[in-house]
Amino acid sequence: EPEVTQTPSHQVTQMGQEVILRCVPISNHLYFYWYRQILGQKVEFLVSFYNNEISEKSEIFDDQFSVERPDGSNFTLKIRSTKLEDSAMYFCASSVTVLSSYEQYFGPGTRLTVT
Amino acid sequence: RKEVEQDPGPFNVPEGATVAFNCTYSNSASQSFFWYRQDCRKEPKLLMSVYSSGNEDGRFTAQLNRASQYISLLIRDSKLSDSATYLCVVNGRTSGTYKYIFGTGTRLKVLA
Repeated sequence: EPEVTQTPSHQVTQMGQEVILRCVPISNHLYFYWYRQILGQKVEFLVSFYNNEISEKSEIFDDQFSVERPDGSNFTLKIRSTKLEDSAMYFCASSVTVLSSYEQYFGPGTRLTVT
Repeated sequence: RKEVEQDPGPFNVPEGATVAFNCTYSNSASQSFFWYRQDCRKEPKLLMSVYSSGNEDGRFTAQLNRASQYISLLIRDSKLSDSATYLCVVNGRTSGTYKYIFGTGTRLKVLA
């Protein structure tokens, strides 16, 4: 069964450093998403991406964040200058289409720890 | 009012019990609804979509009440392996795409 993959599984970085989180969505999916989950809190939407551009972003997704699809398979989230409060689990998701009834499938996540 | 609201639990039930979770949502324009399951420190995994007519998948039954803006999940004959956090998810269109809005989750512990 096809699945979303993410690397690394755990990233530890110092405050102020740049990190890049990587995702490989399911191959025939066209819509890609990043979510984050701070420990003990709910899953929160960050950004959606389609046709090589951002479709929508949340208030959390400020200028420190960027997304890219550098090739036909990878989808990345970059945090330019990490803060302590960026420590969270980051999930990538993909869906076949953006229509509301289509489910999103989540990758296993990257645990980001900012020290 | 929170966009998606769930009782956090935990619900502690014995094996074989029937347990029900409810979830309310605030945006009446929401389009579609899902239940996901999340194990500790793992990704959300789709359990089932929720249809207006209600739907069943084995021991799991989901119901939607649009008038009252709530969604329910019923688990019959609980198994130890059902222990997890159950996430209510609402998918609604905002400015561009449909995005998921998650509840905080309801924690279930099934006891031997």
